[in-house]
Amino acid sequence: DAGITQSPRHKVTETGTPVTLRCHQTENHRYMYWYRQDPGHGLRLIHYSYGVKDTDKGEVSDGYSVSRSKTEDFLLTLESATSSQTSVYFCAIGAGVTDTQYFGPGTRLTVL
Amino acid sequence: GENVEQHPSTLSVQEGDSAVIKCTYSDSASNYFPWYKQELGKRPQLIIDIRSNVGEKKDQRIAVTLNKTAKHFSLHITETQPEDSAVYFCAAANPLLYSSASKIIFGSGTRLSIRP
Repeated sequence: DAGITQSPRHKVTETGTPVTLRCHQTENHRYMYWYRQDPGHGLRLIHYSYGVKDTDKGEVSDGYSVSRSKTEDFLLTLESATSSQTSVYFCAIGAGVTDTQYFGPGTRLTVL
Repeated sequence: GENVEQHPSTLSVQEGDSAVIKCTYSDSASNYFPWYKQELGKRPQLIIDIRSNVGEKKDQRIAVTLNKTAKHFSLHITETQPEDSAVYFCAAANPLLYSSASKIIFGSGTRLSIRP
């Protein structure tokens, strides 16, 4: 697997609390992505980054924010978690939009 | 924006038979079409991809075809084996490099089961 890690791997939290998920890469890829995966919906893009401090919204960005202050790290923040944000979150990296994406191991988030 | 539809959502085939999964896309500017395989409890991994200047691509038992006029592309798996059981995702990408307008959109997935 490409050098990509996610932390934490599992998290249980309560409604209304802030949550930050971290994606870390050692491949020096320019693009980084955050997806959520839910049954029946496949992989839905939340936010992505095409360079340090360059980010844009995906299909399901409401309730999420991101930051990328250096090439290797891409943070996803849920400002005030809701039960609808219970999901498996995948980070992915790639050299470009039309290049292979390498996925991280995923983070299972449960919001009670 | 881009919309990718994938069919069927579930597919069951006898071992040794062929499986076909189809996707359609809406953005004529998309020119990169990858397919990912996700085994149970694991991360998605690329199995094959095709670019718009090519109509078909093969890799052993897997092939992908692209019809740009009709805006659809398909994954074909021949001589299916138990290890082909997984969820398969198609995707379409708009290639505006380093632009906020560049996007990749995934289909909703197909759960393929191989019957012994």
